[in-house]
Amino acid sequence: DTEVTQTPKHLVMGMTNKKSLKCEQHMGHRAMYWYKQKAKKPPELMFVYSYEKLSINESVPSRFSPECPNSSLLNLHLHALQPEDSALYLCASSQTSGGLEQFFGPGTRLTVL
Amino acid sequence: EDQVTQSPEALRLQEGESSSLNCSYTVSGLRGLFWYRQDPGKGPEFLFTLYSAGEEKEKERLKATLTKKESFLHITAPKPEDSATYLCAGYSSNTGKLIFGQGTTLQVKP
Repeated sequence: DTEVTQTPKHLVMGMTNKKSLKCEQHMGHRAMYWYKQKAKKPPELMFVYSYEKLSINESVPSRFSPECPNSSLLNLHLHALQPEDSALYLCASSQTSGGLEQFFGPGTRLTVL
Repeated sequence: EDQVTQSPEALRLQEGESSSLNCSYTVSGLRGLFWYRQDPGKGPEFLFTLYSAGEEKEKERLKATLTKKESFLHITAPKPEDSATYLCAGYSSNTGKLIFGQGTTLQVKP
């Protein structure tokens, strides 16, 4: 089973709202990732968690706050977003963070009004 | 600077017309070259990992190859359901990041 699940599938929020994206995997992977993807562009790395510790933050604005409560779960907390943050947010996982294949979830389509 | 470049940007084929997608890379400390397929509005689907020059991997109508500077995704006798964007990515052990190319959008017409 190489499934990564993400909820919700779609999210519409105002600029003053607080919302969270959720990602889950049950493959025993110890590395988890958040990517942002704009239309007709490749995914852009936002955060990497390795063994539940944040190992890479790609200078992402503080209005995006990641959390890894346990080895199977990854959250992305959103607050005071801007319309330009509208995108497809992808979660991925890999066995470890050392260059093994990353398996992506279906994504959350976020629209910020 | 790490870079992955894919060509062509878009490719239109007739069903059954074989072709190749190119991925050229300059990635520091390359540890793995990955191919993904992405359908519109969905997450990338893992296809292949290649680790060494000369390595080849096959899956149905797809075959991926790797040299020291490029990777190719060969599509043999494609079908309309092969229409998608194909992404190539190199993992840099120096930065710990997957460096993606811009993708090749393939359209296969019946």
